[in-house]
Amino acid sequence: EVQLVESGGGLVQPGGSLRLSCVASGFTFENYWMSWVRQAPGKGLEWVANINKDGSAKYYVGSVKGRFTISRDNAKNSVYLQMNSLRVEDTAIYYCARSQWPEDKWGQGTLLTVSS
Amino acid sequence: DIVMTQSPDSLTVSLGERATINCKSSQNLLSSSDNKNYLAWYQQKPGQPPRLLIRWASTRESGVPDRLSGSGSGTDFTLTINSLQAEDVAVYYCQQFYSAPLTFGQGTKVEIK
Repeated sequence: EVQLVESGGGLVQPGGSLRLSCVASGFTFENYWMSWVRQAPGKGLEWVANINKDGSAKYYVGSVKGRFTISRDNAKNSVYLQMNSLRVEDTAIYYCARSQWPEDKWGQGTLLTVSS
Repeated sequence: DIVMTQSPDSLTVSLGERATINCKSSQNLLSSSDNKNYLAWYQQKPGQPPRLLIRWASTRESGVPDRLSGSGSGTDFTLTINSLQAEDVAVYYCQQFYSAPLTFGQGTKVEIK
């Protein structure tokens, strides 16, 4: 069974940093692209970033370019999202997803709250 | 970026009736290289992550009931739920995966009348 478990969310002040992690199991991690998708409270889905199988290609939505960095460690079956210069509008549930363009399996998400 | 626009924003349908959700893309999602439409549909129930229902505009994922179907090509797409069941109450999203950044429609909430 495919499982994706996110962690690392919490309360951060504007301008702060945080790193989200996602551990995958139940499939051959290194054979898949991985994505992060977020959902602000009561709002719709926003795709944030994805990364290719070996980490050599990364894509971002414009609103996070230069602030967020996606990375992966295939030896640890993990994908990460380093988030810097956080803004109030980054408050959301962040989902890790396996990507086959589109995203076919999702974790339960981790909540990031950016507030002073 | 490709803009995805869904209509309506919400829909109230009687049990057993049909629900139709439309999705319009600002750019053509039909690839000339493989003749596939890079359009997916998701279902999200309260408190749950999204679930992929359909990819390539009309290919259902394993386990998705055949009363849910996708159609369309190019820039105009439709998700149809035939004979609506109580378990279909959810928000439905379309997504283009033709080019990064991947983008979602704003969502359509389906409720029971």
